[in-house]
Amino acid sequence: EIVLTQSPGTLSLSPGESATLSCRATQSVRLTYLAWYQQKPGQAPRLLIYGSSTRAAGIPARFGGGGSGTDFTLTISRLEPEDFAVYYCQQCDSSPCTFGQGTKLEI
Amino acid sequence: QVQLRESGPGLVKPSQTLSLTCVVSGGSISGGGYYWSWIRQQPGKGLEWIGYINYSGTTSYNPSLKSRLTISLDTFKIHISLRSATAADTAIYYCARVDVDSRDVPIAFDTWGQGTRVTVSS
Repeated sequence: EIVLTQSPGTLSLSPGESATLSCRATQSVRLTYLAWYQQKPGQAPRLLIYGSSTRAAGIPARFGGGGSGTDFTLTISRLEPEDFAVYYCQQCDSSPCTFGQGTKLEI
Repeated sequence: QVQLRESGPGLVKPSQTLSLTCVVSGGSISGGGYYWSWIRQQPGKGLEWIGYINYSGTTSYNPSLKSRLTISLDTFKIHISLRSATAADTAIYYCARVDVDSRDVPIAFDTWGQGTRVTVSS
């Protein structure tokens, strides 16, 4: 199984700043099968990015995804108050689908 | 716009079967292009993929749960049964729609239900 390790575990930033979240895989993941999600307290996760870099419907342009192989990043520019949440990466390139353990973005 | 809603007992006794249902509205389960998945989140933990089913009833399960798991579907519902439940199965269970590529390989979970909390305890 592909293990996804996210770093940092917690990222403390202020509104207006930019965030870079990392996701490292134990095996290469094809771009098509890498996705990112946002989860706020008491809510279900929401798809942000799929195919490594394609924003899902309704996701603001300040969210961007990149990377390849075993190293992927989610960048959030000009943080808004509503962006403070937990972020997960996920792969389905190899079964079973797996998620990273999450990065908490806090103020 | 498709919506998903999970339901089922909030409390299950150890060794019993955990059974949940996800109702799909605003879209068809039988149309191609999407699979249907269950994902869970144990208290204070991350996300765990449980398994998925496609429109023809073909399933794929997480090996860690495969021996106890059945996912099935009918016209507008997706069902999960997890046998011999233990405290480790205590979690919020989410139903999600799975976007797949042209080769029917899952890409991402693009629509989620609100989740239903299940506690396994005597």
